[in-house]
Order: sequence, then structure tokens, then C-alpha cells
Amino acid sequence: AQSVTQLGSHVSVSEGALVLLRCNYSSSVPPYLFWYVQYPNQGLQLLLKYTTGATLVKGINGFEAEFKKSETSFHLTKPSAHMSDAAEYFCAVRGRNRDDKIIFGKGTRLHILP
Amino acid sequence: GAVVSQHPSWVICKSGTSVKIECRSLDFQATTMFWYRQFPKQSLMLMATSNEGSKATYEQGVEKDKFLINHASLTLSTLTVTSAHPEDSSFYICRAAGTANTEAFFGQGTRLTVV
Repeated sequence: AQSVTQLGSHVSVSEGALVLLRCNYSSSVPPYLFWYVQYPNQGLQLLLKYTTGATLVKGINGFEAEFKKSETSFHLTKPSAHMSDAAEYFCAVRGRNRDDKIIFGKGTRLHILP
Repeated sequence: GAVVSQHPSWVICKSGTSVKIECRSLDFQATTMFWYRQFPKQSLMLMATSNEGSKATYEQGVEKDKFLINHASLTLSTLTVTSAHPEDSSFYICRAAGTANTEAFFGQGTRLTVV
């Protein structure tokens, strides 16, 4: 069985500061890993994903995440926060079989301070 | 990326009536559709999974007679909330997956309010 834990339901950073959203997963086999962003009253938008290959994954809007197998982590970072980054972020994990379900973390609300 | 269109984006209905939510994959064939429910400030809860032409598989605790799911074609799935009650008020989101299923394409979500 797989699971994902997001540390911190709320994170506040100043505009221009580093954004770090933490995600740890549990899986018996190397999983697929995802980060999604959700703006109010909207669906989820894929930021980035890790499937195989390079462990540092670059996504949209300047975000990136690094898959660290030894730490079972997939933390999301962005060097410089922008006001428009304020949203809910979900980390997700899925097995590699086609019928595996995607498991979402509980989400982290990112607040950007002016 | 692929486009998934969910309609309506919001709906208000009276208690006891039924509401249908549509989810369309516009530029790919969605062999599998997933329906989620999201409570305020919470994560997504998978309600059911449907494969085109087959009956939906519901998660434990989800009433299949209340949440009717139809996936009659590779580009359209519908969720009908029957005899809606105020406790059914929530944000419903569909997700469409193609054959590769390494990426999840979500609809925009539907805010259902039952009064």
C-alpha cells in the first residue's frame, strides 16, 4: 500500500523568499510522484511529476522537486515566491501498474506575505 | 497538456432534486474516469472509478444508488447526484486518464450547493 504525507497544512513565506513544501511517501516499489496546485474553486493542475530518470524534476511556474529515494521524499521548491503562488498544493503518489490508484496528500496551503 | 472540461462549474439545487455533472475529455480518449469529492480545506476523496462501457467501481462508503456514474463513451462521463440533500453539498472533481495513465488530467470541478 502507498501513502503520502505532507508536512504542514499551512506554510507562509514572504514574496521573493524560497518556497519549500515537504512531501514524504511510503511505497514498496519506486512510485510515480506528482505535485498539483489548486486555486480556489478550481480543479487540480499538474505542476510536475516524477516517473523515471533524472531525480530533479522541473515543472511549470518555476517549481521543481527532487526525488530522494533514501529519504522517501519529494519536496517541492521554488527559489523566489510570487504572490500568484498562493494556493493549495497537493503531493500525490501512484504505483506503476496502470490500474493503481493515485493517492493524494492532505494538501498544504501556501500563503505569500507581501 | 490534455484538456478535460467539467460542467457546470457551479450549481445550486433544491433538496430532493437530482443534479448531473458532465466530464468531457476534449482531445484524448479517456479510458478511465475518476470522480472525487473534496470537502472544504481537505484533500480529494475518491468516490468511484469507471472504465468506458463498464459499470463503475465505487469506493467503500460511497452509495452507488445515490451517485450514479455513466461512462458510455471514451470522451464523456457523467455523475448524477440523486435526491440531493444539503450534506451532499461539496466540490466534485473528475479526472480523466488515457491508456498510459501516468498523468492525471482533472476537470475544473463543480461546486454543488443543495438548499
